[in-house]
Amino acid sequence: AQKVTQAQTEISVVEKEDVTLDCVYETRDTTYYLFWYKQPPSGELVFLIRRNSFDEQNEISGRYSWNFQKSTSSFNFTITASQVVDSAVYFCAPNSNSGYALNFGKGTSLLVTP
Amino acid sequence: DGGITQSPKYLFRKEGQNVTLSCEQNLNHDAMYWYRQDPGQGLRLIYYSQIVNDFQKGDIAEGYSVSREKKESFPLTVTSAQKNPTAFYLCASSTDSLNQPQHFGDGTRLSIL
Repeated sequence: AQKVTQAQTEISVVEKEDVTLDCVYETRDTTYYLFWYKQPPSGELVFLIRRNSFDEQNEISGRYSWNFQKSTSSFNFTITASQVVDSAVYFCAPNSNSGYALNFGKGTSLLVTP
Repeated sequence: DGGITQSPKYLFRKEGQNVTLSCEQNLNHDAMYWYRQDPGQGLRLIYYSQIVNDFQKGDIAEGYSVSREKKESFPLTVTSAQKNPTAFYLCASSTDSLNQPQHFGDGTRLSIL
């Protein structure tokens, strides 16, 4: 069975702090992709970053960076120099067994205060 | 602009009534999906379709029905059999490739009168 765990329910930081969001994905699959989405208060889901399961090289895209540790099935997503506009719920979502559908974690609510 | 359009934004259902949520995309994507989101929760898959005239049940399909007569359209009907329909419904589409992200509509909020 697949299990997606976002253990942090809520995080609060002050603007300009770095913040790391954790995601653990337990699966027997060896090849999959994992996506991070942001859901601002308006409700739409915005795609942020994608990572595969077979490359442990860290990646950086603007203020976002991505750390994958295969040994712990841990995909950590870091926002550098957080801004108030980063306040949202962040979802970790790997591919599921249902075709190309995604298997969403419960999300981490991030609040960035001035 | 290319994207996914969901309508209506807000919908109210009376007891015993079926309601249909619309989802249209002009991204030329083959695959389309319906998810349900309850407060403080992640998204759960209701139905998905990888090609026209074919669709599959997701994790919580009971009380819902879909059709996929056109590539661009994937309407979701919430039937009277769905006893707890109050939720936020999100439609998504993607290419038929595991490494491509899904694109989401703005969602429909369904409430019971």
